[in-house]
Amino acid sequence: GEDVEQSLFLSVREGDSSVINCTYTDSSSTYLYWYKQEPGAGLQLLTYIFSNMDMKQDQRLTVLLNKKDKHLSLRIADTQTGDSAIYFCAESGAGLTGGGNKLTFGTGTQLKVEL
Amino acid sequence: GAGVSQSPSNKVTEKGKDVELRCDPISGHTALYWYRQRLGQGLEFLIYFQGNSAPDKSGLPSDRFSAERTGESVSTLTIQRTQQEDSAVYLCASSSRPESLYEQYFGPGTRLTVT
Repeated sequence: GEDVEQSLFLSVREGDSSVINCTYTDSSSTYLYWYKQEPGAGLQLLTYIFSNMDMKQDQRLTVLLNKKDKHLSLRIADTQTGDSAIYFCAESGAGLTGGGNKLTFGTGTQLKVEL
Repeated sequence: GAGVSQSPSNKVTEKGKDVELRCDPISGHTALYWYRQRLGQGLEFLIYFQGNSAPDKSGLPSDRFSAERTGESVSTLTIQRTQQEDSAVYLCASSSRPESLYEQYFGPGTRLTVT
């Protein structure tokens, strides 16, 4: 079945770049996503990338996809204290009855931004 | 506009009791998903509703879990005879189109604790 893995913790200094890594096993994934979860809040979709793309940039966020190695990364430039959260990598897995797609999530990476 | 809402935000119950969790999707969203997030883990897909189609129940962990949805509105997830391993945050997401692979909007979740 599908499996998505991430490292559990990352600590960076404010103003530095953060790079959060993810590996996945399902080679048929069509979309890969990064979600952000702040304490007490629901998941917020940050960005996504289609599997035939290598890179996507959106303001301070850069997503890199190495489809051969099934490796996805999220780079946050000029990391701020407000970026402290848990970041989840997810891939769109099997289609569901009636349409729609099940998302398979990694365990999440806790990003801590220090002053 | 209003996002996905869930109630209660927190629920503590005794082992063996039944619980009912509620999700109000974004108005007009035809697709609705339930996920479970255990402590320190990623989200696990539970069940998916799309309009009047039969739900995809492929993620339900046991027959103690069931869910209903009235048309394209509120959904309830019921867990019968709760066990301690059911303790988790239960998240609901909705989407405007089932084939939309990047538009799952998540609610804040219900934290269930089984004592």
